[in-house]
Amino acid sequence: EVQLVESGGGLVQPGGSLRLSCAASGFIFSHYEMNWVRQAPGKGLEWISYISRSAGTIYYADSVQGRFTISRDNAKNSLFLQMSSLRAEDTAVYYCARTSIDMVRGYFDLWGRGTLLTVSS
Amino acid sequence: EIVMTQSPATLSVSPGERATLSCRASQTISSTVAWYQQKPGQAPRLLIYGASTRATGIPARFSGSGSGTEFTLTISSLQSEDFAVYYCQQYNNSPPLTFGGGTKVEIK
Repeated sequence: EVQLVESGGGLVQPGGSLRLSCAASGFIFSHYEMNWVRQAPGKGLEWISYISRSAGTIYYADSVQGRFTISRDNAKNSLFLQMSSLRAEDTAVYYCARTSIDMVRGYFDLWGRGTLLTVSS
Repeated sequence: EIVMTQSPATLSVSPGERATLSCRASQTISSTVAWYQQKPGQAPRLLIYGASTRATGIPARFSGSGSGTEFTLTISSLQSEDFAVYYCQQYNNSPPLTFGGGTKVEIK
């Protein structure tokens, strides 16, 4: 089955760190660009980071630049998001999302179910 | 950054009726728009890409149109499973990739 499964969310204190993971299966992971998209409670979708197939190109939203680091391990079919200096406003469901293979930095044709990060003291 | 503005924020529609959702881009973006459906507690699902191409497995009652700055998602005859939140997204000019604020389609 083609799927993405996120893990690693939880409760973290402000200023803390956490690492999210996304396990891919059912497709050739190394052929696809990947992203993290988040959704604060009751709010809309916010793209936060992109990584190219070989990890040679990486982008971040201004809201997480300098605090979050995206990475991937193609041998293990995994995507990661290392988060530090966490703030209350980072509280959200974090989705791993696959970019469609037919366009660079395009739309998202596969999403995971998300993992919830709560930043609170 | 390209800002995507969706309207209305909430759309009340009776089952079987037509729903028309709008999305406006702050600058021209050709046809590089995608639409997603999100139900409570679920991940978004791709409906439309390239402004008008249905994704795999999406019923024909969903259609997209538009180019430039004005885009529309139409659901021709609403089914019970279509009541959800819909988001547009531009991918013409990135980063950042940007989403609209969403339109909630609710039962009238």
